[in-house]
Amino acid sequence: SQQGEEDPQALSIQEGENATMNCSYKTSINNLQWYRQNSGRGLVHLILIRSNEREKHSGRLRVTLDTSKKSSSLLITASRAADTASYFCAPNNAGNMLTFGGGTRLMVKP
Amino acid sequence: DTEVTQTPKHLVMGMTNKKSLKCEQHMGHRAMYWYKQKAKKPPELMFVYSYEKLSINESVPSRFSPECPNSSLLNLHLHALQPEDSALYLCASSQESSASQHFGDGTRLSIL
Repeated sequence: SQQGEEDPQALSIQEGENATMNCSYKTSINNLQWYRQNSGRGLVHLILIRSNEREKHSGRLRVTLDTSKKSSSLLITASRAADTASYFCAPNNAGNMLTFGGGTRLMVKP
Repeated sequence: DTEVTQTPKHLVMGMTNKKSLKCEQHMGHRAMYWYKQKAKKPPELMFVYSYEKLSINESVPSRFSPECPNSSLLNLHLHALQPEDSALYLCASSQESSASQHFGDGTRLSIL
């Protein structure tokens, strides 16, 4: 297993602004997954990006992956108060289990 | 609403009690997981079941005992827990081990 490290640990922005979170990892991966967790709830899967992909979009979410730098970023555009949550990246090696990094706590102020 | 259902949502128990946490999914997923999450920390993997067989035990104390009665159900039996075991216990499932995981909303466990 391997752990992602998110940066920043906390991020506070105004509604309508974009939020960018970064993830770094140590070894080769099969895919990298991003999850969101609202306070007191379970995690919700957002996007899975495979090692041979460089960018992926889902609605207001854009994920990039740079395997040469062992890093990924999650961009949330036109943020809303409902986007307030913790965001976790989870690098995944085929046949291995997910190990979550410390997460980024995002606060979007109305 | 989530597709993974966990019961109970909250549980308070003494250190000498025996209780069980339950998890159910009907998505046909063949991998199921238990995680422990402390406040402001990421989930930590405890156990993985693949095709109803225990495939990973992340050095979890024996006072936690998992069970997978069938492909849709996952239990976590608790006995003689310690106050430091108070946490949110999350269940998840996935089609396979490297696929995206679906989480339940967890059981908030408090040990007195």
